[in-house]
Amino acid sequence: SQQGEEDPQALSIQEGENATMNCSYKTSINNLQWYRQNSGRGLVHLILIRSNEREKHSGRLRVTLDTSKKSSSLLITASRAADTASYFCATDAILTGGGNKLTFGTGTQLKVEL
Amino acid sequence: EAGVTQFPSHSVIEKGQTVTLRCDPISGHDNLYWYRRVMGKEIKFLLHFVKESKQDESGMPNNRFLAERTGGTYSTLKVQPAELEDSGVYFCASSLWTGGRDNSPLHFGNGTRLTVT
Repeated sequence: SQQGEEDPQALSIQEGENATMNCSYKTSINNLQWYRQNSGRGLVHLILIRSNEREKHSGRLRVTLDTSKKSSSLLITASRAADTASYFCATDAILTGGGNKLTFGTGTQLKVEL
Repeated sequence: EAGVTQFPSHSVIEKGQTVTLRCDPISGHDNLYWYRRVMGKEIKFLLHFVKESKQDESGMPNNRFLAERTGGTYSTLKVQPAELEDSGVYFCASSLWTGGRDNSPLHFGNGTRLTVT
């Protein structure tokens, strides 16, 4: 079953506007991470929020986590055309040998227009 | 530092043929992962190496898939024989091994787009 589900599936905004993407998950987590993927490229880690944290900032990114609702949101403020990409949330399960076993959602495709 | 590199970037093969994908992780990263994204679906975990040891291969679809990491450096993922449903993008990722619950972020390669016709 799918752990992370992003909402909306696609989002189109004007440059300078804020973009908000939501993610819901089903099981208990250690942390939740957001990744970005530009077309034809690999995923790039954006931010990690631990299960005991409620909000985290990194530059123009703001992530919130509500473990009671099993949901997270990613806010990109003052968006730029270069922010156009797919955004994925991923939850982790600790592997027996350490490391990450991330469960990804299907992603939100963000398009920022000039 | 050099990132995670994957080769080839694209591969088109016929059903029944064999394909081998290669991944070179970031130097010093003991954790190496393979993930796959089938068209329109979520990115799914395939397996995890710590150095040369397979720690978890619960995501491998079936025994047509074989992953190796001899010497604990680069890894290969072989599909033999390939089927139509194997088409997708195969991502490799690596991370530092921390041994605890404070997981390091994954660094992904650009992926190999596999098309089986």
